[in-house]
Amino acid sequence: KQEVTQIPAALSVPEGENLVLNCSFTDSAIYNLQWFRQDPGKGLTSLLLIQSSQREQTSGRLNASLDKSSGRSTLYIAASQPGDSATYLCAVGDTGRRALTFGSGTRLQVQP
Amino acid sequence: GAVVSQHPSRVICKSGTSVKIECRSLDFQATTMFWYRQFPKQSLMLMATSNEGSKATYEQGVEKDKFLINHASLTLSTLTVTSAHPEDSSFYICSAGTQGWDSYEQYFGPGTRLTVT
Repeated sequence: KQEVTQIPAALSVPEGENLVLNCSFTDSAIYNLQWFRQDPGKGLTSLLLIQSSQREQTSGRLNASLDKSSGRSTLYIAASQPGDSATYLCAVGDTGRRALTFGSGTRLQVQP
Repeated sequence: GAVVSQHPSRVICKSGTSVKIECRSLDFQATTMFWYRQFPKQSLMLMATSNEGSKATYEQGVEKDKFLINHASLTLSTLTVTSAHPEDSSFYICSAGTQGWDSYEQYFGPGTRLTVT
């Protein structure tokens, strides 16, 4: 059974800092990996989607990498802003099972 | 991009009553829809996978007679929480899957917050 772990569980940084969120998964037979943002009491906002054949995706200040063989992904946020404060969720789609398995998330607080 | 709606966004019901939540894919057809549940300060857990025209597949520990799922068309799936209890209070999120030319992607609805009093 796929298990997804996110480290750290919570992170507080001053504005402007670059930061890295980590995600690991136990079964490398995945078809994609997604990073989401969730604001308190709200739904999910998809940030980046990496197909299993890809190694990274970039969108603005965000960069996500995928190392399928080692079961790891990182989300890099450059020049963090207070508006980046949210919970970031990593989710993997297993080959043969279309549903996503989510990590427990990293709660990010960017201090102005 | 693909849009998925959920209705209602919030619902409060009394213990013992039933509540229906709708999930619609607005601009694409979804052969498969997924229902997730999120308890406070926890992550999303898959409840069931719903395929159009067939019975839903439930995850271990999810009562199929309590959480009734109907996927009658390629754009609509419903989740009915029957005989709701306070412990069913949660955030329910659906997603609709679609096969692109080189990938399978899921698009998430905005969620429904259920409070059972």
